[in-house]
Amino acid sequence: EIVLTQSPGTLSLSPGERATLSCRASQSVSSSYLAWYQQKPGQAPRLFIYGASSRATGIPDRFSGSGSGTDFTLTISRLEPEDFAVYYCQQYGTSPWTFGQGTKVEIK
Amino acid sequence: EVQLVESGGGLVKPGGSLRLSCAASGFTLSSYTMNWVRQAPGKGLEWVSSISSSSSNIYYAESVKGRFTISRDNAKNSLYLQMNSLRAEDTAAYYCARDFGYFSFWGQGTLVTVSS
Repeated sequence: EIVLTQSPGTLSLSPGERATLSCRASQSVSSSYLAWYQQKPGQAPRLFIYGASSRATGIPDRFSGSGSGTDFTLTISRLEPEDFAVYYCQQYGTSPWTFGQGTKVEIK
Repeated sequence: EVQLVESGGGLVKPGGSLRLSCAASGFTLSSYTMNWVRQAPGKGLEWVSSISSSSSNIYYAESVKGRFTISRDNAKNSLYLQMNSLRAEDTAAYYCARDFGYFSFWGQGTLVTVSS
């Protein structure tokens, strides 16, 4: 199965700063079938990005996804207070679908 | 508005069984692949199982294969997960989620605790 490794484990930033989250796959992800989810405490995950770079409905344009092959990035251009949460990447190019272990974006 | 509401979780002893349900509304269930994804307390996400719109294609994670059975009743707008031979490591919040591949909509989850 494809193992996804997210880095860093925790990102400590201030509102207004730029956040760069990395997701590295153990083998190439087919057709850039890579998604990103946000999860806040006590809530279900929410889809933010699919197809490596397409924003889901209602997701603000300060969120952007990029990458291909084995290296993918989620960028938040200017952090808003509501963006502090855990972010997971997920590949759906090769069964079984797998998730990264998550990156926590916390307030510095 | 798309809504997914899970139910059926609870405390069960190792080796026991439990059946989870997911009630769907706000969309036509019969048009979509549906999934179960779980999250152990304080841990990350793990895909568990998927079922195609007509139930013709079913997939399981290796960790649950042979013990869990996914099914659906499109007429009742419902998705199910029959869990047998439960183990402590199955303790998790179980979410139903819509769509094939990436998961566009999620329920709020139902907690399954396997403990003696």
